[in-house]
Amino acid sequence: LAKTTQPISMDSYEGQEVNITCSHNNIATNDYITWYQQFPSQGPRFIIQGYKTKVTNEVASLFIPADRKSSTLSLPRVSLSDTAVYYCLVGDGSNDYKLSFGAGTTVTVRA
Amino acid sequence: NAGVMQNPRHLVRRRGQEARLRCSPMKGHSHVYWYRQLPEEGLKFMVYLQKENIIDESGMPKERFSAEFPKEGPSILRIQQVVRGDSAAYFCASSLRSFQGKNTEAFFGQGTRLTVV
Repeated sequence: LAKTTQPISMDSYEGQEVNITCSHNNIATNDYITWYQQFPSQGPRFIIQGYKTKVTNEVASLFIPADRKSSTLSLPRVSLSDTAVYYCLVGDGSNDYKLSFGAGTTVTVRA
Repeated sequence: NAGVMQNPRHLVRRRGQEARLRCSPMKGHSHVYWYRQLPEEGLKFMVYLQKENIIDESGMPKERFSAEFPKEGPSILRIQQVVRGDSAAYFCASSLRSFQGKNTEAFFGQGTRLTVV
């Protein structure tokens, strides 16, 4: 399983764009990248998933450069309710349920 | 369609007692996973069950912990003779298909916070 590294915490203000970069230098050819969000006192929630280039949905965008050794989750115009822990996971689908979520990135949005 | 339901939300047990955590998966989901989150740490996989079968328990401590997912009823995570180190949030997730493969999502419950005093 590819090891991931992401910042421990990030602070932002309402209305700003938040970009969280995850490093996964030993990502394998068959691996894809998935991001989860966890609000306080709740379980994680799937946000977005991608393999290469750019993926966008109603919640976020995911940018993956050509070498795939990192990925950036972009949250546009954050609000206070986006305060959460964000986890980057890398796996090839063979046993994703065993992926440990790590410490994640705690994003704090202030008014 | 109700989400994954876990109960109780909070559970307090004295050292040496038994803790029973329940998880009702989303309707139609037959795959259930249990995770543990220690304070200030991320989620760690414990066990993966499918109806009446344990598929993978490689993350479960060998002693005092057991899990089941009977044909009828919720999945149960049982911790015998609890110790202070068992204090954590325990999350259950369920999925329609095995939680592997692109675009297969697991849906998590709100967790049970176990406190051992």
